[in-house]
Amino acid sequence: SQTIHQWPATLVQPVGSPLSLECTVEGTSNPNLYWYRQAAGRGLQLLFYSVGIGQISSEVPQNLSASRPQDRQFILSSKKLLLSDSGFYLCAWTGQGVGYEQYFGPGTRLTVT
Amino acid sequence: AQSVTQLGSHVSVSEGALVLLRCNYSSSVPPYLFWYVQYPNQGLQLLLKYTTGATLVKGINGFEAEFKKSETSFHLTKPSAHMSDAAEYFCAVSRSFSGGYNKLIFGAGTRLAVHP
Repeated sequence: SQTIHQWPATLVQPVGSPLSLECTVEGTSNPNLYWYRQAAGRGLQLLFYSVGIGQISSEVPQNLSASRPQDRQFILSSKKLLLSDSGFYLCAWTGQGVGYEQYFGPGTRLTVT
Repeated sequence: AQSVTQLGSHVSVSEGALVLLRCNYSSSVPPYLFWYVQYPNQGLQLLLKYTTGATLVKGINGFEAEFKKSETSFHLTKPSAHMSDAAEYFCAVSRSFSGGYNKLIFGAGTRLAVHP
């Protein structure tokens, strides 16, 4: 069966510090991968998605970036965090094709101080 | 373009009462529709999905939803609420793109409170 992992589970970082969040998927190959953010009291905002290694699409301009160095690994990064980057970050995967549901990881709670 | 509207950001019910969470969608093509549940500080868990076929879809934890094309609705129901149902619920529609990938368009979410 497929599983999706995210780490760390929680993170407290000062403003201006770098960020690296990791997501890995097991039990499937060539998944589509997604990064979402939930700010406090708000819905889900799609940040990035990837259909393959090295293929990243950004949904919104921001100081975050994403990379996919391996088929089942998706990394969210920042060189300098802002207070507004605080939130709950969720990674998700789906199979290729239409209509496929997305499966979400457990999330990373990021607090920028 | 697809979109999703969830009516009511907060819903409160008594334990044992009917749960009804409303979702309306907009889609120019036959939609694929989903309901997800999120417990505090956890990821989203798929409750149920509609792709094609039977319009009444049964999911986990006793939830079900009915796809009504004429009303462009996909409301989520449960006959009897349990305290453990307290969570946030998201309705979503799938949007497909050339290149073999899809995106989910989420509603803003409905927070369900269940009181004794």
